[in-house]
Amino acid sequence: AQSVAQPEDQVNVAEGNPLTVKCTYSVSGNPYLFWYVQYPNRGLQFLLKYITGDNLVKGSYGFEAEFNKSQTSFHLKKPSALVSDSALYFCAVRDGRNTPLVFGKGTRLSVIA
Amino acid sequence: DGGITQSPKYLFRKEGQNVTLSCEQNLNHDAMYWYRQDPGQGLRLIYYSQIVNDFQKGDIAEGYSVSREKKESFPLTVTSAQKNPTAFYLCASRTSGGLYEQYFGPGTRLTVT
Repeated sequence: AQSVAQPEDQVNVAEGNPLTVKCTYSVSGNPYLFWYVQYPNRGLQFLLKYITGDNLVKGSYGFEAEFNKSQTSFHLKKPSALVSDSALYFCAVRDGRNTPLVFGKGTRLSVIA
Repeated sequence: DGGITQSPKYLFRKEGQNVTLSCEQNLNHDAMYWYRQDPGQGLRLIYYSQIVNDFQKGDIAEGYSVSREKKESFPLTVTSAQKNPTAFYLCASRTSGGLYEQYFGPGTRLTVT
């Protein structure tokens, strides 16, 4: 069975500082990994994905994520946080087959000016 | 929110009534999904459909029903058997194949009193 863990319910960071939102996963085969962002009362917006290749994936709005197979992690990062980055972030995984994404419980990011 | 429409945005019903949530997509996607979002619980899969006239139960299908008569449409009915129906409901779709991300609609917030 596939699963995703986001160990932090809330992450607080000062504007201009780097941010990291953590994600670990468990799948039986090769993982396909995704990050989404959700603003209040809105649907989820796709940020980036890892399928294969370079372990550092770049996505929308300056976000990037690093795939680490040995640690089964896919942490989301941004070098310099903006107040507008404040939102709910979800990590998701699929085992490569044509199956639905399995989501973590989400991490609320708060960027303080 | 791309080419996925969910209506209405807010829906209020009395306990004991069935209610149908609409989801339409113009992205020519084969697969469609319904998730339920509750605070602190992330997204939980209700039903999904990989192709017209076929659908599968997700993790929390009890008290819900769906149909997939057209490629563009995947309505969700919340029946009176669903014990705790008040939630934010999200519809998603994607092209078939494990490589592709899911696109989400804007969501419908259902309140049952």
